Amino acid sequence: GEDVEQSLFLSVREGDSSVINCTYTDSSSTYLYWYKQEPGAGLQLLTYIFSNMDMKQDQRLTVLLNKKDKHLSLRIADTQTGDSAIYFCAERRASGTYKYIFGTGTRLKVLA
Amino acid sequence: SAVISQKPSRDICQRGTSLTIQCQVDSQVTMMFWYRQQPGQSLTLIATANQGSEATYESGFVIDKFPISRPNLTFSTLTVSNMSPEDSSIYLCSVPGAGWYGYTFGSGTRLTVV
Repeated sequence: GEDVEQSLFLSVREGDSSVINCTYTDSSSTYLYWYKQEPGAGLQLLTYIFSNMDMKQDQRLTVLLNKKDKHLSLRIADTQTGDSAIYFCAERRASGTYKYIFGTGTRLKVLA
Repeated sequence: SAVISQKPSRDICQRGTSLTIQCQVDSQVTMMFWYRQQPGQSLTLIATANQGSEATYESGFVIDKFPISRPNLTFSTLTVSNMSPEDSSIYLCSVPGAGWYGYTFGSGTRLTVV
């Protein structure tokens, strides 16, 4: 199927690390992305990873990719209250189109 | 990356009426995409709008219900026609970035149909 799965909720304390997981479906996906959606806002691109990479670090964000298991994760170090949002993973299919499949979204709540 | 201005940001509409949502991009783009995000759900692609040709609709979406215009390379509209409460959603436009770069999204239109 086309579903890209994420756990619905995650709650962490301020200063702790958050890990948001995503399981995608198409092994031929070329690029995988993480987006952040704050209340009442559109989606903001956070980071991306190419399918030939295992890991990418960008300041507080670390993306891990396990192609064998089709598993993608986003780790946020030193989580802040401003990180509270919904996080979506997205895969870009290698079908020649720009079609993205978005995950179901994980609502991150950061407790002060 | 492109900057997108989307209007209106929110609206409350009576059932049976139509609402047109506008997206203006600050640069010329070949493709624009329209998504729907139902309450508590992920994003679902409605259609791809190319300038100079008819929009390409995804399964489950039809032109009569969601007519799209794309008069030039910087502008597009999506109309939600003959609305019912089931159409209450956030509607987002987006454009692809160069190469591998991810999509840029408009800020969304939160539609409530009563």
